Amino acid sequence: AQSVAQPEDQVNVAEGNPLTVKCTYSVSGNPYLFWYVQYPNRGLQFLLKYITGDNLVKGSYGFEAEFNKSQTSFHLKKPSALVSDSALYFCAVRPASGGSYIPTFGRGTSLIVHP
Amino acid sequence: DGGITQSPKYLFRKEGQNVTLSCEQNLNHDAMYWYRQDPGQGLRLIYYSQIVNDFQKGDIAEGYSVSREKKESFPLTVTSAQKNPTAFYLCASSIGGVLRIAEAFFGQGTRLTVV
Repeated sequence: AQSVAQPEDQVNVAEGNPLTVKCTYSVSGNPYLFWYVQYPNRGLQFLLKYITGDNLVKGSYGFEAEFNKSQTSFHLKKPSALVSDSALYFCAVRPASGGSYIPTFGRGTSLIVHP
Repeated sequence: DGGITQSPKYLFRKEGQNVTLSCEQNLNHDAMYWYRQDPGQGLRLIYYSQIVNDFQKGDIAEGYSVSREKKESFPLTVTSAQKNPTAFYLCASSIGGVLRIAEAFFGQGTRLTVV
């Protein structure tokens, strides 16, 4: 079975500093990995995905994520955080083949950016 | 504009009542999903559908029912058998369920409260 772990319930960072939101996964075979963001009382919005190729994936709003196969990780990063980045972030995984095509989501990490 | 529309945004249910949450998409997506979100528990899959007139139970289907009579619509009924229905409900869709590289698109959610 596939699973996602987001080890931090909350991440605090000062505006202008770099931010990292961690995600590790477990899946049979190769993974397809996704990051989504959720603002209060809203649905999830897609940020970026890793399918294949370059391990560094660039997405919306200046976010990027680094795929590390040996560490089974897909951490979300941004060089300079904004207060408006404060939200709930979800990592999701699907196997590239076999198993269930339904994405499995992590529990979410609350990012708080302080002015 | 293309997207997913959930209605109502807020819904109150009395004990013993059935209520139906609406989800409509005009993205021409084949796959649709219902998730339940509770604080600290991430997203849990209730039901999903790959194609019209077909749907499958997810991880927490008990006390819920769905139908998929049209490609655009995937309503969720929360029955009186669901003992703890107070939650935030999210509907999502994606291009062709087995097209695993495709990200999901989410509606804005319905917050259901039992009174």
